[in-house]
Amino acid sequence: AQKVTQAQTEISVVEKEDVTLDCVYETRDTTYYLFWYKQPPSGELVFLIRRNSFDEQNEISGRYSWNFQKSTSSFNFTITASQVVDSAVYFCALIHSGGSNYKLTFGKGTLLTVNP
Amino acid sequence: DGGITQSPKYLFRKEGQNVTLSCEQNLNHDAMYWYRQDPGQGLRLIYYSQIVNDFQKGDIAEGYSVSREKKESFPLTVTSAQKNPTAFYLCASSHFSGRTDTQYFGPGTRLTVL
Repeated sequence: AQKVTQAQTEISVVEKEDVTLDCVYETRDTTYYLFWYKQPPSGELVFLIRRNSFDEQNEISGRYSWNFQKSTSSFNFTITASQVVDSAVYFCALIHSGGSNYKLTFGKGTLLTVNP
Repeated sequence: DGGITQSPKYLFRKEGQNVTLSCEQNLNHDAMYWYRQDPGQGLRLIYYSQIVNDFQKGDIAEGYSVSREKKESFPLTVTSAQKNPTAFYLCASSHFSGRTDTQYFGPGTRLTVL
């Protein structure tokens, strides 16, 4: 069975602070993919990143960076110099290459509030 | 612009009524999905479709039905058999080059049962 845990239910920071959102996953598969999505107050899920299990390189995209560590089954997301527009719910998700369905397994999300 | 549209944005239903949520995509994606989101929860898969005229149940299909008559459209019907239908419903689509394709989401429909 697959499971994604986002232990931080809510995080509140002041603008320009750095913030890290944690994601820990469980899977028995050796080939899998991890995702981060952003859900602003409007409700739409916005795709941020996809990472496969064989690529442990960290990735940076502007103020966003991701740290993937298979040894600890974690895929953490850091926002540098946070802005009010970063306020949203962030979801980590997992899908594996085997199995009979196409289900993304989601964590319960972390609500990030960036205060001015 | 390519994307996924869902309508209506808000929907109110009386108990005992069936309602249909619309999902259309012009991304030329083969696969489409319906998820349900409850407050403070992650998303749960209701149904998915890999190709036209084919669809599979997800984790919480009871009380829901779908059809896939066109590649671009995947409507979801919430029937009166669904015991607790008040939720936020999200439609998604992906290329069908493999099971692990990135899923892109529409803006969602918020359904409230009165």
